[in-house]
Amino acid sequence: KQEVTQIPAALSVPEGENLVLNCSFTDSAIYNLQWFRQDPGKGLTSLLLIQSSQREQTSGRLNASLDKSSGRSTLYIAASQPGDSATYLCAVNDYKLSFGAGTTVTVRA
Amino acid sequence: DTAVSQTPKYLVTQMGNDKSIKCEQNLGHDTMYWYKQDSKKFLKIMFSYNNKELIINETVPNRFSPKSPDKAHLNLHINSLELGDSAVYFCASSQGSGDRGWTGELFFGEGSRLTVL
Repeated sequence: KQEVTQIPAALSVPEGENLVLNCSFTDSAIYNLQWFRQDPGKGLTSLLLIQSSQREQTSGRLNASLDKSSGRSTLYIAASQPGDSATYLCAVNDYKLSFGAGTTVTVRA
Repeated sequence: DTAVSQTPKYLVTQMGNDKSIKCEQNLGHDTMYWYKQDSKKFLKIMFSYNNKELIINETVPNRFSPKSPDKAHLNLHINSLELGDSAVYFCASSQGSGDRGWTGELFFGEGSRLTVL
């Protein structure tokens, strides 16, 4: 059974600092991995999708890496802004999506 | 133009009642899902349908019954509601699924918050 862990559970940084969010999973036989953002009381917004054959994906200030063999993915957010405050969820696709519990990020102005 | 839409957004009801949540997607996807997010914000898959065929059915009480009239709709009916059913229920869709050519990216609705009193 796939287990997905996200560390840390919460993170508070001053504006401008780079963010590093970690995701680990137990079964490396995955199709892909997806990072989502969830704002309070809202649905999930897809940020980045990394296929199992890829090592990283980039979109603007976001960069996600994937090391399938070690069961790890990292989401980097450069030059954080208060608008980046949200919960970030990692989901691993091995036929069905298994979610981590998320990292709640607060960016202080 | 909303890609995945759920109704209602909020639902407050008494224990023992029966309720339904509807979901529609206009993305042309062939796979739809129901997820439950509990009070600790943990998301767990409940059901998945591919072209109206049930392909994932997690350990969910049989009081929960999904229905997919067509590939653009996946409704969730809940019988005899219990206090523990209080949660946010999310609908999602993707193109393909698992070994059936899944491109992988999931799109979620805004969620339906169910409160059972």
